[in-house]
Amino acid sequence: KNEVEQSPQNLTAQEGEFITINCSYSVGISALHWLQQHPGGGIVSLFMLSSGKKKHGRLIATINIQEKHSSLHITASHPRDSAVYICAVGGTSYGKLTFGQGTILTVHP
Amino acid sequence: DVKVTQSSRYLVKRTGEKVFLECVQDMDHENMFWYRQDPGLGLRLIYFSYDVKMKEKGDIPEGYSVSREKKERFSLILESASTNQTSMYLCAIGAGTEFYGYTFGSGTRLTVV
Repeated sequence: KNEVEQSPQNLTAQEGEFITINCSYSVGISALHWLQQHPGGGIVSLFMLSSGKKKHGRLIATINIQEKHSSLHITASHPRDSAVYICAVGGTSYGKLTFGQGTILTVHP
Repeated sequence: DVKVTQSSRYLVKRTGEKVFLECVQDMDHENMFWYRQDPGLGLRLIYFSYDVKMKEKGDIPEGYSVSREKKERFSLILESASTNQTSMYLCAIGAGTEFYGYTFGSGTRLTVV
């Protein structure tokens, strides 16, 4: 069993829909990261959080430390949100991250 | 803005060649990482370094070595490239915490033929 599990693996939505991607982890963490990778593009950091909730534009990330679970929400989805979304958890050892498999999101106009 | 620069975006090498992938950062950060990214497997840690001349094996170090002679530069070396090392290679710096995050380079897509 992977230490970081994401669901779903693939997600297709229509423009304007509300999207949720889930991440569960089984290890102790110092922070959880949500990353975005557009096709052929590099990886950018969307959120880093260790508790509660963060919001940036149409993106919201939440984390429940007790349940070892995080969600990434996208409100009013747009085709430019089409990308791979990756959940990663950081422990305390030199900043190493453990990554989920990623969720491929496709938003159709 | 933090910059993590990987020397090549695309690289094609022959089986058996010695391959050097370079990563340079401008943040004076202690921690630097090399990952490879493969479809269905996600990102996997090859090696990391937490200071000059200090290195630690990651999850998949076989067939690779690294060098960190200066703080800003972390090199990944494929001693004798093989076709199963065809992959996207990503360099990153960071502490992985909520306040000292992570910055990735743009990646090097290596094809070994």
